[in-house]
Amino acid sequence: EAGVAQSPRYKIIEKRQSVAFWCNPISGHATLYWYQQILGQGPKLLIQFQNNGVVDDSQLPKDRFSAERLKGVDSTLKIQPAKLEDSAVYLCASSHGQVNTEAFFGQGTRLTVV
Amino acid sequence: AQSVTQLGSHVSVSEGALVLLRCNYSSSVPPYLFWYVQYPNQGLQLLLKYTSAATLVKGINGFEAEFKKSETSFHLTKPSAHMSDAAEYFCALGTASKLTFGTGTRLQVTL
Repeated sequence: EAGVAQSPRYKIIEKRQSVAFWCNPISGHATLYWYQQILGQGPKLLIQFQNNGVVDDSQLPKDRFSAERLKGVDSTLKIQPAKLEDSAVYLCASSHGQVNTEAFFGQGTRLTVV
Repeated sequence: AQSVTQLGSHVSVSEGALVLLRCNYSSSVPPYLFWYVQYPNQGLQLLLKYTSAATLVKGINGFEAEFKKSETSFHLTKPSAHMSDAAEYFCALGTASKLTFGTGTRLQVTL
């Protein structure tokens, strides 16, 4: 089966600019996650969708980050305006949604804010 | 609150030596535990998972982990390290379909 697709792979922007990331999960996976991974740290959950509803966005900086999952399939994560500290790898993952099932990860988008 | 602690941000072993990466968890409900590996510029790949069926779990690439409830631990081991095992390893705790990651352990394998 096809894996989780993310684009772009790399992005460099100036601070205060906006940026968007796209994720296409594995077909049939109800749960979609966006994680932020800062260099040298573990992935931190930003937002979790179950189908097209938000399950958890408690760690999403809502003043600048937004995410949507239209029709319960693809998802986009947007940052506006970007700050230097947003430089990180943004990982998208999907799963069937049950707690004991694994999450499959995309290759990530490496964002550099200068 | 659910949490995962990985002891040792860097571990260095010689090729052929035992690999031991430590993970402790805190959970108010029966946990599901995972080990993921991340190679440079790649996403995370599942090594193995504990879902209460058996306390000793075998995964890919010769890795295994043992769930010890009394010690709240889920340490990852491999009898003989290979150069290709050099990567970042993450322990993760699954509860209520939420996945919480530890801070990771970078494994270095030397000749």
